[in-house]
Amino acid sequence: QQQVKQSPQSLIVQKGGISIINCAYENTAFDYFPWYQQFPGKGPALLIAIRPDVSEKKEGRFTISFNKSAKQFSLHIMDSQPGDSATYFCAADKSSGTALIFGKGTTLSVSS
Amino acid sequence: GAVVSQHPSRVICKSGTSVKIECRSLDFQATTMFWYRQFPKQSLMLMATSNEGSKATYEQGVEKDKFLINHASLTLSTLTVTSAHPEDSSFYICSARAQNRDGYEQYFGPGTRLTVT
Repeated sequence: QQQVKQSPQSLIVQKGGISIINCAYENTAFDYFPWYQQFPGKGPALLIAIRPDVSEKKEGRFTISFNKSAKQFSLHIMDSQPGDSATYFCAADKSSGTALIFGKGTTLSVSS
Repeated sequence: GAVVSQHPSRVICKSGTSVKIECRSLDFQATTMFWYRQFPKQSLMLMATSNEGSKATYEQGVEKDKFLINHASLTLSTLTVTSAHPEDSSFYICSARAQNRDGYEQYFGPGTRLTVT
């Protein structure tokens, strides 16, 4: 019930391509779904987050798609760049609740 | 976005000594802060939830007498690793919850690399 399953574990995309990372959750009480980007040796940086009252949120090249009925959400990185090479974590939480539950992470490599 | 700082960024200590790590919310007040531990190429593992003015809530399997957490003000939480041993070597990251009009966002510090020799 508390898990967030993330896939793929690793991803290689060519420069200019679209990177897609998927996450699925089980707890229907979750109502906050952020994505974090982490570079080696650094803390995670909040990239974009969505709440279930909308099905999509876009910020620059980053888009979250949210499917409440399927209990899935995904991150799309358009026009992927070598500087996007990092580990991405999805997470979920209840607004009134405790700490974020994290997926296991996806290592993205964008080849130039 | 909101900024969370951590100090020190790196620390090396001898086995048996104690180390204190500070986590500060720089431009917002945080009633709730979290401490995570991260092993190489792994996800973040929640250690404890720190609430201002009250005792921390530890996750199962985390020794509260070993990892002392104090949240004395709305902008500062500290993690003290007592009697450190080599197996405590890890990357420790704090985060703080910032309220906004939609609810909240959670921001992370830059992390502290602890090496116990």
